[in-house]
Amino acid sequence: NAGVMQNPRHLVRRRGQEARLRCSPMKGHSHVYWYRQLPEEGLKFMVYLQKENIIDESGMPKERFSAEFPKEGPSILRIQQVVRGDSAAYFCASSPSDSVDSYNSPLHFGNGTRLTVT
Amino acid sequence: GESVGLHLPTLSVQEGDNSIINCAYSNSASDYFIWYKQESGKGPQFIIDIRSNMDKRQGQRVTVLLNKTVKHLSLQIAATQPGDSAVYFCAETFRMDTGRRALTFGSGTRLQVQP
Repeated sequence: NAGVMQNPRHLVRRRGQEARLRCSPMKGHSHVYWYRQLPEEGLKFMVYLQKENIIDESGMPKERFSAEFPKEGPSILRIQQVVRGDSAAYFCASSPSDSVDSYNSPLHFGNGTRLTVT
Repeated sequence: GESVGLHLPTLSVQEGDNSIINCAYSNSASDYFIWYKQESGKGPQFIIDIRSNMDKRQGQRVTVLLNKTVKHLSLQIAATQPGDSAVYFCAETFRMDTGRRALTFGSGTRLQVQP
């Protein structure tokens, strides 16, 4: 059973370009979370999605950032007009349900996409 | 010993010694706690969890202790091995006003195991 798959692993963009990060959850998982991690820091929550629904986007910047989780295909985190401050590791996690409601069902994380903005 | 670096605090231990990593959580309403291990270039990996109705839980070579009175969580690793070198994060969950639970990560501790 494959784990959470994120691609690309590394992404380099020039300032002003768009970055698209993809996350395929574990098989059978319908809940996806995106987190951002700056070097030497912890993970910061960005957005929580179920299939075709954004449940909680309280951690997402109001501008330039968007996320989707379509009925078919991976979840996408999209960053428009990237700036150097967007450089970070972006992690996706999945769960079969709202796992934070379920004990003994911690989130399963992918290995992240490392975005570098030049 | 333990030292505070520029960002992440670092704990250096000798191979074979026991390690204790501490975490202070912020929300007294948090009722489920998780420890994650993150190796360089990888995502967080689940280690062990504990509910708030417990004060201790043991796994293989790891023990988590919870002190709700002072909102403190610790991770004990027995007979630390070089493969334990990583950054360790605690995470707390609590129910928000919306009814949904939120998962919040602590700032992390880097464990360095000296051979």
